[in-house]
Amino acid sequence: NAGVTQTPKFRVLKTGQSMTLLCAQDMNHEYMYWYRQDPGMGLRLIHYSVGEGTTAKGEVPDGYNVSRLKKQNFLLGLESAAPSQTSVYFCASSSHWGGSDQPQHFGDGTRLSIL
Amino acid sequence: AQKITQTQPGMFVQEKEAVTLDCTYDTSDPSYGLFWYKQPSSGEMIFLIYQGSYDQQNATEGRYSLNFQKARKSANLVISASQLGDSAMYFCASLRDTNAGKSTFGDGTTLTVKP
Repeated sequence: NAGVTQTPKFRVLKTGQSMTLLCAQDMNHEYMYWYRQDPGMGLRLIHYSVGEGTTAKGEVPDGYNVSRLKKQNFLLGLESAAPSQTSVYFCASSSHWGGSDQPQHFGDGTRLSIL
Repeated sequence: AQKITQTQPGMFVQEKEAVTLDCTYDTSDPSYGLFWYKQPSSGEMIFLIYQGSYDQQNATEGRYSLNFQKARKSANLVISASQLGDSAMYFCASLRDTNAGKSTFGDGTTLTVKP
């Protein structure tokens, strides 16, 4: 079982460049999430999606865009990368059982450095 | 807004002893769930245990248990018989799939198990 797969695992960008992080899950989960984790801190929610074709802003959405054209994929885009976006990015997914909280399953993370 | 507080940046425990990692939360939701995740130095996020606000009994999963005190708004993780492999960062989180945008993590506690 692949679970949640993130690509790429590492990337170095120059300020102003753009890129897209890909998240794919094979568990047929309705919900998907993008987080960032800065050194010594917890995860902060960037954007999330509760179903195919829907996205919403989380706690720290500025500078990022997302799309969920297919249920299994959730893309995170940086249009013009800034050094402040240097972080580890985690994708997660979870099922939805009619109001019963479900654990989020995480990918292994993408380490992104902006020079 | 939901807030998760972990007051212990770092903890040490002797191998085979028990350790308690603190977590307090602040939420206005009448129904909520609390999760604990482990993040080893390799970086992945591993789900450990879940406690629902209406659960009558404290959650247990093997060597992990939750000391849930609703009136104090605390959900402390207890690890019994610590092992060297327990050395990791531990995160308390409130993940609401009924309101996915409220997914909130604490800043984590680094646990070091001494031989």
